Amino acid sequence: GAVVSQHPSWVICKSGTSVKIECRSLDFQATTMFWYRQFPKQSLMLMATSNEGSKATYEQGVEKDKFLINHASLTLSTLTVTSAHPEDSSFYICSAKFYRGLSNTGELFFGEGSRLTVL
Amino acid sequence: SQQGEEDPQALSIQEGENATMNCSYKTSINNLQWYRQNSGRGLVHLILIRSNEREKHSGRLRVTLDTSKKSSSLLITASRAADTASYFCATETSYDKVIFGPGTSLSVIP
Repeated sequence: GAVVSQHPSWVICKSGTSVKIECRSLDFQATTMFWYRQFPKQSLMLMATSNEGSKATYEQGVEKDKFLINHASLTLSTLTVTSAHPEDSSFYICSAKFYRGLSNTGELFFGEGSRLTVL
Repeated sequence: SQQGEEDPQALSIQEGENATMNCSYKTSINNLQWYRQNSGRGLVHLILIRSNEREKHSGRLRVTLDTSKKSSSLLITASRAADTASYFCATETSYDKVIFGPGTSLSVIP
């Protein structure tokens, strides 16, 4: 099946620093990737839709200047948490849609997630 | 943003019993998917049911979809301790976004 790789799997940083998380589709091209955020014991909250070659579409309430998304190629999207603060500590998960053949229904494949801890 | 509700929020059963989880959503959908997540890990796709389908099976999993009630259920038969995880339903809307429900935490006691 399709594989989505996310890196780093965990990161600890000091308050005020910026952290970049990478999401790669390893064996397929993904024109669209999604970034989610998950707090402990909660569900995934969609943050933004990352579109290759264009600006990301952010969900209501998500600060686009805080969470910078770049989708520079068909296999790579990055999420940068700028000037991170302790309240940004969370589990960030990316996903990419894989279409089998000519099917219009794509299946989402998820990365393993990146746990960010801001001290 | 989130779609609807899932119930129960937590479910504890004995190994061998069946587990049923329900999901409701608010908007029209293209399809509904169920995912599993082990603690602190990524998600595993379990099953997808299209909006024009009413029931789907995959191994010990059975999913139903009632678009008139905007609800779905996931049945896991003959549960095993290894089924212990959180289960999420997720709906794909016409905007191609996949929105997750709050999830059900399942504990299967050996």
